[in-house]
Amino acid sequence: GNSVTQMEGPVTLSEEAFLTINCTYTATGYPSLFWYVQYPGEGLQLLLKATKADDKGSNKGFEATYRKETTSFHLEKGSVQVSDSAVYFCALSYSSASKIIFGSGTRLSIRP
Amino acid sequence: DTAVSQTPKYLVTQMGNDKSIKCEQNLGHDTMYWYKQDSKKFLKIMFSYNNKELIINETVPNRFSPKSPDKAHLNLHINSLELGDSAVYFCASSRTENTEAFFGQGTRLTVV
Repeated sequence: GNSVTQMEGPVTLSEEAFLTINCTYTATGYPSLFWYVQYPGEGLQLLLKATKADDKGSNKGFEATYRKETTSFHLEKGSVQVSDSAVYFCALSYSSASKIIFGSGTRLSIRP
Repeated sequence: DTAVSQTPKYLVTQMGNDKSIKCEQNLGHDTMYWYKQDSKKFLKIMFSYNNKELIINETVPNRFSPKSPDKAHLNLHINSLELGDSAVYFCASSRTENTEAFFGQGTRLTVV
């Protein structure tokens, strides 16, 4: 079936470090891919998206590229800040899904 | 103006009670969802509605009954609450069935 696998956390980094959170997916057809972020006590916010192969989504210094050949959508940021501490979810949707399928989430903590 | 709003934000109740959570979106979206987030942050789809019609009921106990009086509202009623129902419940909406979803702030339900 359709699913999303992302790296387990927690991930702890120092401020200004480089961030990668891995995400791979299994889907029939051509899904749309998303990264959501959840700050403590809040709902999920869409961070970025990509709707077709080779698209790059970007927002707030975060980037992810839709790689069909490796079925991946890894999240990257060149220099993280303490304010980036949150839980990050990789997700997908496709034309007949009527839902968004989420990965298990990766908790990110940034040390000052 | 809040795009997806749900009330209440916190709900503490005793086992066996019946409770409702309300959700409204002002984005003009056709599709609305209820998700359940457990203590490990795992997100699971419960229901999906498109234009007020139920599209997905993801093996949710029939103690949970969604109601969509119009496209902008999707309420969740829960009968005979159990300890295992304790979780955070998120309402969300999307323009169509396979586009990105916008989430409410969540309702933290605690059953004692």
